[in-house]
Amino acid sequence: KAGVTQTPRYLIKTRGQQVTLSCSPISGHRSVSWYQQTPGQGLQFLFEYFSETQRNKGNFPGRFSGRQFSNSRSEMNVSTLELGDSALYLCASSLEGAWGNTIYFGEGSWLTVV
Amino acid sequence: AQSVAQPEDQVNVAEGNPLTVKCTYSVSGNPYLFWYVQYPNRGLQFLLKYITGDNLVKGSYGFEAEFNKSQTSFHLKKPSALVSDSALYFCAVSANAGNNRKLIWGLGTSLAVNP
Repeated sequence: KAGVTQTPRYLIKTRGQQVTLSCSPISGHRSVSWYQQTPGQGLQFLFEYFSETQRNKGNFPGRFSGRQFSNSRSEMNVSTLELGDSALYLCASSLEGAWGNTIYFGEGSWLTVV
Repeated sequence: AQSVAQPEDQVNVAEGNPLTVKCTYSVSGNPYLFWYVQYPNRGLQFLLKYITGDNLVKGSYGFEAEFNKSQTSFHLKKPSALVSDSALYFCAVSANAGNNRKLIWGLGTSLAVNP
């Protein structure tokens, strides 16, 4: 069974640009969550999607957005990139929801903003 | 406010010695508790979880954790540490209360096992 797949793995963007990251969850999983990981802040929850609907949202500005497709694949978008957006972005999937079920993480997308 | 604390940024142990990585929490309702491990340049991997039942939970790679309701703790333990256990460990908690169903994460504890 394939795990959670995130693309691209590494990318470098310029301040002011926008970026889209993709996540394919484990087959059959309907919940996809996104996290930002930085050395000083640990894991910061961005949002969770379940059956194409955003179910939970963290405390990030509106520049961070996401969506989920009918096949459960998810994308997150960051517009008007800032230097502070440089981080590892992790996607996680679970059967029914992140709050009470085991969640499975992808390898992450390393974003560097210069 | 609901929170999770991992009071130690780093834990150092000698190979073969027992290890403990601490986690305490403050949430309403009955918590679901998780431990995840992150190896360098990798995503997080599930180690174990407590939902209900026996307070001692056994997980992957020989790890176990004990749920202590009175002390609101869920410390991760292993009887004999391996160098390969060196990684970043995260505790996560969610509370089955109302509509607040977000996982709350600790900041992580870096475990270094010295040969």
